[in-house]
Amino acid sequence: SQQGEEDPQALSIQEGENATMNCSYKTSINNLQWYRQNSGRGLVHLILIRSNEREKHSGRLRVTLDTSKKSSSLLITASRAADTASYFCATDVRQAAGNKLTFGGGTRVLVKP
Amino acid sequence: DAGVTQSPTHLIKTRGQQVTLRCSPKSGHDTVSWYQQALGQGPQFIFQYYEEEERQRGNFPDRFSGHQFPNYSSELNVNALLLGDSALYLCASSLSAGRKTQYFGPGTRLLVL
Repeated sequence: SQQGEEDPQALSIQEGENATMNCSYKTSINNLQWYRQNSGRGLVHLILIRSNEREKHSGRLRVTLDTSKKSSSLLITASRAADTASYFCATDVRQAAGNKLTFGGGTRVLVKP
Repeated sequence: DAGVTQSPTHLIKTRGQQVTLRCSPKSGHDTVSWYQQALGQGPQFIFQYYEEEERQRGNFPDRFSGHQFPNYSSELNVNALLLGDSALYLCASSLSAGRKTQYFGPGTRLLVL
């Protein structure tokens, strides 16, 4: 079963617009991470936000985390055609050993020039 | 600084055969995780290796096995291949301590005919 579920499943925007995608999860987490994947290639790590953090920024990316609602959002500002990709949230759940990531199904973002 | 590397990039096998996929972690990393990503879905955790032992395992049958070598590189073996094993296999490396961000390789795309 998937811990994280992204919403929407697909998003189409014009270059320069902002893109927002959401992630919901089910259990307590150590941290939540966002990854980008281009055309079925490897995943690129974007941001890690810890369970005691509420917001993080990295360049044009802004991630929020609401542990009371078990949800996170990723905002990409001033989108570019190169931002076209699938975006995944992944949760790192509290466990005695190891730190497996549980991924959602992803949001497919298309940025039109 | 080399990132995570995987070999081969593509592989075609027939049902019932066995396959071995290889992964070299990012320099300085000691933990390797393997994920299976079916087309259009998020990655699913297979298992994680640390100190040459399987530390954690996902919901995959015993046909999936692995190994970690003293230099931290890792292999994923799949026996008695099924059509449903066709997927992108991703390797991720991380440090056992600290933030535990997982860095992914480009993946091996396996097609089972």
